[in-house]
Amino acid sequence: DAGVIQSPRHEVTEMGQEVTLRCKPISGHDYLFWYRQTMMRGLELLIYFNNNVPIDDSGMPEDRFSAKMPNASFSTLKIQPSEPRDSAVYFCASRDTDSYNEQFFGPGTRLTVL
Amino acid sequence: QKEVEQNSGPLSVPEGAIASLNCTYSDRGSQSFFWYRQYSGKSPELIMFIYSNGDKEDGRFTAQLNKASQYVSLLIRDSQPSDSATYLCAANSGTYKYIFGTGTRLKVLA
Repeated sequence: DAGVIQSPRHEVTEMGQEVTLRCKPISGHDYLFWYRQTMMRGLELLIYFNNNVPIDDSGMPEDRFSAKMPNASFSTLKIQPSEPRDSAVYFCASRDTDSYNEQFFGPGTRLTVL
Repeated sequence: QKEVEQNSGPLSVPEGAIASLNCTYSDRGSQSFFWYRQYSGKSPELIMFIYSNGDKEDGRFTAQLNKASQYVSLLIRDSQPSDSATYLCAANSGTYKYIFGTGTRLKVLA
């Protein structure tokens, strides 16, 4: 298996622009997580899905952030409009119910908002 | 606010020594605890998890859990330069929601 795939790996955009981050989980995994990592706040859970359904989005910072999972093999995290404080590395992770507590992380998307 | 606290480091140890990494958590309902290793510019990878009080050993790594003190630690024996990385501690309260600490940077000096 190729592991969790994220695109793009790097994104540089200007304040006010829309940003879409993409994730393909490991085939067969029924949980998908979106995290944001910064030096100051560390790794923060934004939202997670089970069987394509959002379960907990309490970590989504504000209405500018939205996430979807239209099918088992694809998820997006959208920021509209983007702000400089959104600059961070965004990780997607997946796991299946039977793999006791182990999440597998994608390579991350480094987002820079100018 | 449920928190997981770690000393940011860096923790410097000589090659061959034991590295001791520590973590405290605030949520007494936390049930499972995880140690992830993250190399610079890379994604976190799971090293070990523990959910019972006491020690759990896996090769050069030992995780220790003390629920009464709300304390988790990771010992790395015979530290190697390749162990130099940031180590993230995480707690889980029985749901699928994980709370991560900000990590401790470990430097193993050759």
